[in-house]
Amino acid sequence: DAKTTQPTSMDCAEGRAANLPCNHSTISGNEYVYWYRQIHSQGPQYIIHGLKNNETNEMASLIITEDRKSSTLILPHATLRDTAVYYCIVRNFGNEKLTFGTGTRLTIIP
Amino acid sequence: GAVVSQHPSWVICKSGTSVKIECRSLDFQATTMFWYRQFPKQSLMLMATSNEGSKATYEQGVEKDKFLINHASLTLSTLTVTSAHPEDSSFYICSASLLAGGPLEQFFGPGTRLTVL
Repeated sequence: DAKTTQPTSMDCAEGRAANLPCNHSTISGNEYVYWYRQIHSQGPQYIIHGLKNNETNEMASLIITEDRKSSTLILPHATLRDTAVYYCIVRNFGNEKLTFGTGTRLTIIP
Repeated sequence: GAVVSQHPSWVICKSGTSVKIECRSLDFQATTMFWYRQFPKQSLMLMATSNEGSKATYEQGVEKDKFLINHASLTLSTLTVTSAHPEDSSFYICSASLLAGGPLEQFFGPGTRLTVL
């Protein structure tokens, strides 16, 4: 599976949109982009995934560039409960394994 | 839906004892279950992949005789840390995989914090 690169940490003001970038320049055509987050001392929580098109659900939006070499997770109105480590993972269709990198520690500031 | 539970949520044991951690998929049958370990301020590291009725596949560097995995049914997998030592103290997390008409989805349990004295 392709490797991802994320900033180590980010801060965002409460109520603003949090934009978390991820680089995956070696992604191949059948690899999906997944986002999970882990709130302190809990198991990871699935957020969203996509292949080519932008995706939106009740939690977030995922914007994937046309060349698929990078993506951005958008939390539209960040709350204090969104403080967590966010993991961007690229995974091959049919490969069950998830390989976690170091992620981005997002801190929402009141 | 797609809820995964773990029991216990935390455990403290003496060095040399064995500890069993259960992972259950509550509302779905999991094709595969996974076990991860997470040390403080580090990322999750996959320990093993487990399929019901077959032997687990361990990642490189994980001792299969120390971390015994039993996957007796499509909703239950257990991890036994045998002869635990203080360096085994960690946060152990399981996940269960669900085939849902697309890429396999993986749902995580809340984790079990093991402290070995």
